[in-house]
Amino acid sequence: DAKTTQPPSMDCAEGRAANLPCNHSTISGNEYVYWYRQIHSQGPQYIIHGLKNNETNEMASLIITEDRKSSTLILPHATLRDTAVYYCIVRGPSSNTGKLIFGQGTTLQVKP
Amino acid sequence: NAGVTQTPKFQVLKTGQSMTLQCAQDMNHEYMSWYRQDPGMGLRLIHYSVGAGITDQGEVPNGYNVSRSTTEDFPLRLLSAAPSQTSVYFCASSYSLTLSGNTIYFGEGSWLTVV
Repeated sequence: DAKTTQPPSMDCAEGRAANLPCNHSTISGNEYVYWYRQIHSQGPQYIIHGLKNNETNEMASLIITEDRKSSTLILPHATLRDTAVYYCIVRGPSSNTGKLIFGQGTTLQVKP
Repeated sequence: NAGVTQTPKFQVLKTGQSMTLQCAQDMNHEYMSWYRQDPGMGLRLIHYSVGAGITDQGEVPNGYNVSRSTTEDFPLRLLSAAPSQTSVYFCASSYSLTLSGNTIYFGEGSWLTVV
């Protein structure tokens, strides 16, 4: 699975969009980009994933560049409850163990 | 649909005691797994299962046993608890190990302290 690079921390004003970047320059053609978040040592919460097209669900949008070497998670209207550590994970379909490799992630602080 | 349910949420054990962490999912998922999370270590895979009757080791299996007698349940057993097993344990499940792009869902965690 390709390695990802994320900024260690970001701030966002409540009500504004939070844009969390992720670099995955060594991603291969069959690897998906997943986003999870972990709030205060709760279980990792799935947010969204995609292969090459942009994706949107009720929680967020995922924008993947055309060359697939980077992506951005967008929380359209951040709230205080979105304060968490956000993990960008690249995972291929042929993982032997199914393990998700969580890096250091980005700590997002949403401020009033 | 309750998702992935873990019990107990908190447990204190004495060194040498045994116990079982329970994990159940109601999504008919084939794949289930156990992770532990320690400060500065990230999530590490303990054991996993790709279906009833099939289990395999992850990266840190020593001191833990698992079994998968049903699709729904995947208990994690600590045979003789040690202080090094003090950690937060997460159970996770997904539809399939090999299906492209399928999502892994996590339980809320079980906080274990061994004294």
